[in-house]
Amino acid sequence: EAGVAQSPRYKIIEKRQSVAFWCNPISGHATLYWYQQILGQGPKLLIQFQNNGVVDDSQLPKDRFSAERLKGVDSTLKIQPAKLEDSAVYLCASSLMTSGFYNEQFFGPGTRLTVL
Amino acid sequence: KQEVTQIPAALSVPEGENLVLNCSFTDSAIYNLQWFRQDPGKGLTSLLLIQSSQREQTSGRLNASLDKSSGRSTLYIAASQPGDSATYLCAVRGQGGSEKLVFGKGTKLTVNP
Repeated sequence: EAGVAQSPRYKIIEKRQSVAFWCNPISGHATLYWYQQILGQGPKLLIQFQNNGVVDDSQLPKDRFSAERLKGVDSTLKIQPAKLEDSAVYLCASSLMTSGFYNEQFFGPGTRLTVL
Repeated sequence: KQEVTQIPAALSVPEGENLVLNCSFTDSAIYNLQWFRQDPGKGLTSLLLIQSSQREQTSGRLNASLDKSSGRSTLYIAASQPGDSATYLCAVRGQGGSEKLVFGKGTKLTVNP
């Protein structure tokens, strides 16, 4: 079965520009996650979707970050305007949900963002 | 607030050695714990998932144990190979089952031929 797909793989922008990332989860996975991983750190959850509804966005900087998951499948994460500290790898993950509980998360290859 | 710590931050061993990576967490009320591997420039690959009711999980040369009461997990790698070189991340999920994964900073492992 195909894994989690993300694009682009790399992006370089200047501060104050905008950028968007795309994620296609594993087929049938209702739960989708966006993580931010700064160099030398573990991933930090930005937002979690259950189908097309938001479950947790408590760590999403909402003044500049936005995310959507139309039709409960693909998702996009946008940053506008970007800051230098947004340089990181943005990881998308998905998982099944059975009997009200979440299972193993599967990660995509990530998008490496560099803000100059 | 859950905090996950991984020790050591980096480890270098000769090929063939058995090794142990450590993970500790501050809140023992977890639903499960997951070990991941991350290669440079790549995403995360799930290695082992241990439910809170389990004590250990095994996959090939990998064995992960969980001691919930003491807030610790270990990942044991037998007969290490250069291909095992990567960063290993530990992550825990809260007891509600729907709570987010909280990650440690990882242990960077280098296996020298």
